[in-house]
Amino acid sequence: NAGVTQTPKFRVLKTGQSMTLLCAQDMNHEYMYWYRQDPGMGLRLIHYSVGEGTTAKGEVPDGYNVSRLKKQNFLLGLESAAPSQTSVYFCASRGSGQETQYFGPGTRLLVL
Amino acid sequence: RKEVEQDPGPFNVPEGATVAFNCTYSNSASQSFFWYRQDCRKEPKLLMSVYSSGNEDGRFTAQLNRASQYISLLIRDSKLSDSATYLCVVNMMEYGNKLVFGAGTILRVKS
Repeated sequence: NAGVTQTPKFRVLKTGQSMTLLCAQDMNHEYMYWYRQDPGMGLRLIHYSVGEGTTAKGEVPDGYNVSRLKKQNFLLGLESAAPSQTSVYFCASRGSGQETQYFGPGTRLLVL
Repeated sequence: RKEVEQDPGPFNVPEGATVAFNCTYSNSASQSFFWYRQDCRKEPKLLMSVYSSGNEDGRFTAQLNRASQYISLLIRDSKLSDSATYLCVVNMMEYGNKLVFGAGTILRVKS
């Protein structure tokens, strides 16, 4: 039981490049979330999903897209990376009827 | 105004000390409350939930004051291993039960 995993752990991109961050959970959780964490700020919600095949915008969705084709996976895409997207990205999942969110180890992204 | 505000610290305390962190939240519709712990930019992990009646888990005590929109965490007999960033977290019913995070309070326990 690995919990929540994220790949890659670290990535450097040039401005304008694209990439996809993968989040996987093996707890059969319905809800999945993508957050970003920047220095001096709390984690902020980018997008979330309440079940397979559904996604919705969080509070800072611009510049990101997501997909939830399988219940266990939640993908975060950057179509054209910008330096402002340099951050640490955390994925989380939560079971239906539960309050606790379980976080993955994070992906550090540097956009030059 | 930030939705969840915390003193960033750092709080530098000796081993064995008692230390308290406070947190205020702006949305009176907030449903539930938590303290998370984060080590060295690793993932946040749930430390404890916070209930109106107050709750205790070993050396940790959490309190909630809904009227003042105020949450606290008390750590007794601090250990070196308590050194971390403590995140005050509020659960909003919107956005699929979105968690709103404070920026965190840094605690450094020294020998």
